[in-house]
Amino acid sequence: AQSVTQLGSHVSVSEGALVLLRCNYSSSVPPYLFWYVQYPNQGLQLLLKYTTGATLVKGINGFEAEFKKSETSFHLTKPSAHMSDAAEYFCAVRHEGGSQGNLIFGKGTKLSVKP
Amino acid sequence: DGGITQSPKYLFRKEGQNVTLSCEQNLNHDAMYWYRQDPGQGLRLIYYSQIVNDFQKGDIAEGYSVSREKKESFPLTVTSAQKNPTAFYLCASTRGVGLNTEAFFGQGTRLTVV
Repeated sequence: AQSVTQLGSHVSVSEGALVLLRCNYSSSVPPYLFWYVQYPNQGLQLLLKYTTGATLVKGINGFEAEFKKSETSFHLTKPSAHMSDAAEYFCAVRHEGGSQGNLIFGKGTKLSVKP
Repeated sequence: DGGITQSPKYLFRKEGQNVTLSCEQNLNHDAMYWYRQDPGQGLRLIYYSQIVNDFQKGDIAEGYSVSREKKESFPLTVTSAQKNPTAFYLCASTRGVGLNTEAFFGQGTRLTVV
């Protein structure tokens, strides 16, 4: 069964510092990977996705993620944190053989940004 | 603008009552989903529907029911059989069921049992 593990339920960084949110997946077949952001009491918004091709994926708001098959990872990074990045971030996966269209989500990482 | 509308934003339910959460989309998407979100638990799939008049149970369907009579609408009923219904409920849709298909989400409904 496919699953997603997000290391760290809460990450705190200073404004201007590097943001690194970790995501590891388990899948015996090539996965399709997604990062979503959720602001308080809001729905989820897609940040970026990896399907095939280039392993470094650029998304909105300056975020990017790199698919590393050998490490089964898809970590999310941003070079310089901004106060407006404070939110909860979810990694999600789909692959062949999963429930049609269903995304499997990690438990989320809440990002705090200190001034 | 196209999108997904969930209503109401906040809902209070007395124990033993059934309540229905609304989800409407004008994206012309074929597939729709209901997720439940609890703190620290991520999102868990309740039901999903790929086409009108058809739907399947997700991982935590017990105590919930859905209908899909129209392409744009996918209401969720939380029945009295759901023992712990207090949660944040998110509706989503996708154009199809392809693996690279992006899911679009509504703004959520927060249900509280009083």
